[in-house]
Amino acid sequence: NAGVTQTPKFQVLKTGQSMTLQCAQDMNHEYMSWYRQDPGMGLRLIHYSVGAGITDQGEVPNGYNVSRSTTEDFPLRLLSAAPSQTSVYFCASSYDVEGQLQYFGPGTRLTVT
Amino acid sequence: AQSVTQLDSHVSVSEGTPVLLRCNYSSSYSPSLFWYVQHPNKGLQLLLKYTSAATLVKGINGFEAEFKKSETSFHLTKPSAHMSDAAEYFCVVSAESSASKIIFGSGTRLSIRP
Repeated sequence: NAGVTQTPKFQVLKTGQSMTLQCAQDMNHEYMSWYRQDPGMGLRLIHYSVGAGITDQGEVPNGYNVSRSTTEDFPLRLLSAAPSQTSVYFCASSYDVEGQLQYFGPGTRLTVT
Repeated sequence: AQSVTQLDSHVSVSEGTPVLLRCNYSSSYSPSLFWYVQHPNKGLQLLLKYTSAATLVKGINGFEAEFKKSETSFHLTKPSAHMSDAAEYFCVVSAESSASKIIFGSGTRLSIRP
């Protein structure tokens, strides 16, 4: 099993550009989530999904869209990048639909200039 | 409402000495509590979890944590630090059986002196 994979590892965007961060898991987990990690703030939940076709907002959803067309994939879209979105983004999945035991991807480091 | 507080942003210990990383939580419900570790430029890895069974929880790499309801604490300990333990550690609380109610602490950076 590859576990949770994320691409790209690094990305630099200009303000106003859009892009999609990819996340995939091969563990047949129903629950998937996106977090952002900022210095001194731990991880904050952006969006999550408890199964294909079902998504919901987390703590900091503004500026981000998600969709879940398959169990395996959970892409995160930045609609119009802003410097405040400079962060490290982690995707996670869990066999528990309450997300209580999560496997994390390696992260995507995004810089918005 | 629930919250989690990691009392130290940085802890430094000598190799071979005990490690104590402190975590306090608040919750209106019976919580599930977790410790995750993040090595530099890596994702997070689960160290251990408490889900209302035994109050002393053993995890990977010699770490353990004790759930103390009276003190609302879930401190992480290890008897003897190893250089490879240098990392960021996150305490996590989940208490409302909801996927959106998982709260991460702000993290404690553990440094190990040779």
